[in-house]
Amino acid sequence: GAVVSQHPSRVICKSGTSVKIECRSLDFQATTMFWYRQFPKQSLMLMATSNEGSKATYEQGVEKDKFLINHASLTLSTLTVTSAHPEDSSFYICSAIEPVTNEKLFFGSGTQLSVL
Amino acid sequence: GESVGLHLPTLSVQEGDNSIINCAYSNSASDYFIWYKQESGKGPQFIIDIRSNMDKRQGQRVTVLLNKTVKHLSLQIAATQPGDSAVYFCAENDGSSNTGKLIFGQGTTLQVKP
Repeated sequence: GAVVSQHPSRVICKSGTSVKIECRSLDFQATTMFWYRQFPKQSLMLMATSNEGSKATYEQGVEKDKFLINHASLTLSTLTVTSAHPEDSSFYICSAIEPVTNEKLFFGSGTQLSVL
Repeated sequence: GESVGLHLPTLSVQEGDNSIINCAYSNSASDYFIWYKQESGKGPQFIIDIRSNMDKRQGQRVTVLLNKTVKHLSLQIAATQPGDSAVYFCAENDGSSNTGKLIFGQGTTLQVKP
């Protein structure tokens, strides 16, 4: 299946700093990527839809100025958690639509963010 | 709002037995469903999908059943192995918007006893 690469896998940062997470589609072009957030023992919650060449679409309750998304190329979307606080500590996962079916989502390996 | 939920949070089975994981969905407009497997600390891994014009689809050791009448989805795993231990999520699309977004259920933890 389609391969989605996500980096870093784990990051620890101080409160108030910003953290950038990268999501790459390795063997296909992805005009649309999705960013999810997952707390321990909970399900995945969609944060935003990342669209290549245009602004991201955020889900209700997600602060767009807090979670900056840039999708500057067909293979790369980035999520920047700005001025991170302990409550932002979570598992962040990106996904991209597999282009053949245009429906199947493939996921990255996730990024565990810990804000001290 | 519309949601996808699972009936059981944890399922414990003996190695070699068959497993059945259930999922209820509420959006009658959804026309595409996927099962994912997530191991601890990793991203979800695609298992099998099914469109609403089908009621059954089989893969390797896995079968997905869809009952649109009662909005129920199930994942059957044959001859469950220790490597099948993980959290399983069902997900549905937003059938009315064609955005590609998936809505995830709460997840069922599958524990395989040796």
